[in-house]
Amino acid sequence: AQSVTQLDSQVPVFEEAPVELRCNYSSSVSVYLFWYVQYPNQGLQLLLKYLSGSTLVKGINGFEAEFNKSQTSFHLRKPSVHISDTAEYFCAVGYGGRRALTFGSGTRLQVQP
Amino acid sequence: NAGVTQTPKFRVLKTGQSMTLLCAQDMNHEYMYWYRQDPGMGLRLIHYSVGEGTTAKGEVPDGYNVSRLKKQNFLLGLESAAPSQTSVYFCASSYAASGRARMGTQYFGPGTRLLVL
Repeated sequence: AQSVTQLDSQVPVFEEAPVELRCNYSSSVSVYLFWYVQYPNQGLQLLLKYLSGSTLVKGINGFEAEFNKSQTSFHLRKPSVHISDTAEYFCAVGYGGRRALTFGSGTRLQVQP
Repeated sequence: NAGVTQTPKFRVLKTGQSMTLLCAQDMNHEYMYWYRQDPGMGLRLIHYSVGEGTTAKGEVPDGYNVSRLKKQNFLLGLESAAPSQTSVYFCASSYAASGRARMGTQYFGPGTRLLVL
């Protein structure tokens, strides 16, 4: 069965520091990768996605992620975080032939002043 | 353009009661999904639909039923609620994708918080 692992359930970081949120997925021939963000008491909003092409993907709010096929990873990064980035972040994977996504358990990013 | 809306926002049920959660989208999306979100478990797919009149089971379908009589609406029913169904329920929708990009971006509603006592 397909699976997505987000290794860190919580990541505390100081404002203006860099951050990396890790995501690993079970291997498959055809895979599509997403990062979603959920602000408190809201639904999920797409940050970025990888479907094909360049392995470095840029998203909204200064986030970027790199698809690494050999390590089956899709880590999310931001060089300098703001207080407003405090939220829960979900990595999701789509596998060829299935229309639904498999989500990781989420990483709560806590940006401190 | 409201996107994806969910009704109600919050509900308290007693064990054994039934209810229906309504999801509506105005983006003309072909696909619609119901997920539940529980602490530490991310989102798990309950049921999904690839078109009007068509539904399919997801990862955790037991205890739920769905219907998609109209393209814009996707209903999730609980026939006999149980405390294990206490959760936050999210609806999502997406375009049908073809070719290389077979996974369309999913757009999510604001969620329905359900408490079963």
